[in-house]
Amino acid sequence: QSALTQPPSASGSLGQSVTISCTGTSRDIGDYEYVSWYQQHPGKAPKLIIYEVTKRPSGVPNRFSGAKSGNTASLTVSGLQAEDEAEYHCSSHGGSNNVIFGGGTKLTVL
Amino acid sequence: QLHLQESGPALVKSSETLSLTCPVSGPSFISGTYYGAVIRRPPGKGLEWIGSVHQSGTTFYNPSLRSRVTMSVYTSKTNFSFTMTSVTATDTAIYYCVGHPLAVPIAVDLWGPGTLVTVSS
Repeated sequence: QSALTQPPSASGSLGQSVTISCTGTSRDIGDYEYVSWYQQHPGKAPKLIIYEVTKRPSGVPNRFSGAKSGNTASLTVSGLQAEDEAEYHCSSHGGSNNVIFGGGTKLTVL
Repeated sequence: QLHLQESGPALVKSSETLSLTCPVSGPSFISGTYYGAVIRRPPGKGLEWIGSVHQSGTTFYNPSLRSRVTMSVYTSKTNFSFTMTSVTATDTAIYYCVGHPLAVPIAVDLWGPGTLVTVSS
């Protein structure tokens, strides 16, 4: 199964909002409400920030929000802060007890 | 709570077998609440799920890697292990021991620090 498609980079100014897309197919994102997003700072392990498309784990600021339309999921970071500069990965249930990831998007806060 | 720490060699020769042990602390894995799993990230690429194991011994594998991967649970249930046979340079990656609450790792909320494994020729 092919990886999900994310833009390699994104950027936004402090205090502004930025949206990162994650495109799959009707066999993964389009067929399941199981999209997750992870934040990864350099040299650190990823951290779960969104699961089941829109849900936030305890402790994740509500500046992070997720959505899905058809075969594309998105992560919006509102009120950008310097510490939001990181790489963001999406994942989706891929059917047949499988999960697939995107290639990652590096977010730069200007 | 569940804490994981990868343990294994940093360098593996091409065509040989890569082995990692993932010590687990906390009750969640032993109780069966969490699955243990391995996810990797090759240089310059995205994350890739390799496989998951439950304390009962039930396993799930990425279909594209299934033929080369085995995961198992130690009798003590305080460790799980991962082996990958016939490695090549494309298996060079940071390998993470992780934990997730459902059979398919659709939401991985527990991560070890990761260990870089380099496959050399």
